[in-house]
Amino acid sequence: DTAVSQTPKYLVTQMGNDKSIKCEQNLGHDTMYWYKQDSKKFLKIMFSYNNKELIINETVPNRFSPKSPDKAHLNLHINSLELGDSAVYFCASSPWDRGFAREQYFGPGTRLTVT
Amino acid sequence: AQTVTQSQPEMSVQEAETVTLSCTYDTSESNYYLFWYKQPPSRQMILVIRQEAYKQQNATENRFSVNFQKAAKSFSLKISDSQLGDTAMYFCAFIYTGTASKLTFGTGTRLQVTL
Repeated sequence: DTAVSQTPKYLVTQMGNDKSIKCEQNLGHDTMYWYKQDSKKFLKIMFSYNNKELIINETVPNRFSPKSPDKAHLNLHINSLELGDSAVYFCASSPWDRGFAREQYFGPGTRLTVT
Repeated sequence: AQTVTQSQPEMSVQEAETVTLSCTYDTSESNYYLFWYKQPPSRQMILVIRQEAYKQQNATENRFSVNFQKAAKSFSLKISDSQLGDTAMYFCAFIYTGTASKLTFGTGTRLQVTL
């Protein structure tokens, strides 16, 4: 009965590879997000989708491409991985209420290590 | 742009004691939400408490309560009867009630609960 799930939880890969992280939520929320947490624990939003539509696209290299096949799923694909991409990536979801998002519920995170 | 400041990088408290974590924010918006999230060593982000800006009453969730001072743009978290399981990073976060609103996090306070 996990609310927000991510796979995989750990990902170790070499520079130059392409990898994907998957996220699913069973909370019935309309809005989903990807966040990046760096080595100093700072959390920064990358993307947000509302009902499969991209609504937030922060300054992120275009090697990162989100995809939302339906409102319960949001995947993150990363091309040509670089050392600086090593971080923990969190998926989150939020109810959409009267035209805005409120509290967000996070998945367990994916620790990506690029060697 | 919204900013969230947590001026205490680390704090320590003894079990059963009370501790207060500070958070200030800066915004020109009048309608917004504030949150405290907890990230234990398991790295899961857990919503601890939320406060709607239009509500004057301070939010409370069991041993967790906030002191929300809207004019001062201050939002502190009080943990009463601290338990070892409260050891974690605590993040203050802000979201305004607009379309494409995004959660802005502070830099976090690492809380250690000791025997």
